[in-house]
Amino acid sequence: EAQVTQNPRYLITVTGKKLTVTCSQNMNHEYMSWYRQDPGLGLRQIYYSMNVEVTDKGDVPEGYKVSRKEKRNFPLILESPSPNQTSLYFCASRIPGQGSGELFFGEGSRLTVL
Amino acid sequence: AQSVTQLGSHVSVSEGALVLLRCNYSSSVPPYLFWYVQYPNQGLQLLLKYTTGATLVKGINGFEAEFKKSETSFHLTKPSAHMSDAAEYFCAVTQDTGRRALTFGSGTRLQVQP
Repeated sequence: EAQVTQNPRYLITVTGKKLTVTCSQNMNHEYMSWYRQDPGLGLRQIYYSMNVEVTDKGDVPEGYKVSRKEKRNFPLILESPSPNQTSLYFCASRIPGQGSGELFFGEGSRLTVL
Repeated sequence: AQSVTQLGSHVSVSEGALVLLRCNYSSSVPPYLFWYVQYPNQGLQLLLKYTTGATLVKGINGFEAEFKKSETSFHLTKPSAHMSDAAEYFCAVTQDTGRRALTFGSGTRLQVQP
């Protein structure tokens, strides 16, 4: 089954404790992206990757890092989480150069930073 | 630059009534337009999309949307609401063939009353 898998789905942590949210897709997509969803703001892009070792900032990259060492994986790293990073995070993938193509989303990771 | 405005963060309809969710966009070039649906505790899934050609687009679950360039709108409709349509709906736009992917609206939560 074609899917984007995120882990963990739920996480409560404390300020400053580094964490990583993993994302893996089995569709051989080159393009992957991270979004955060906040009430009243919709989804905002954090980082995206056009291919292995190619990443770039989205609209809200501050406080986040990503890496793309393999095509299937695109982890989101919070080096020193803060309460304003409490949010619902989504990973998505798509064939690049296909602006009309569908984004495939993971089920989301709900993060709470105390 | 591109942006999306969804009018009405909450819409409530009776079962069997018309569903109308409004979306206006701004784009400096011809856009690609999308509607996504998010059911509780799930990721987003594509309802329908407009790329080129016919301006009336049909999607899954009986939804359709019409691209009106003169009004810069892409409203989502369904003739008869069903209880299972209760969800959050996001309009999205891209004018880009691959880089930053989609810009999302803030979402409209649809409630269906029995």
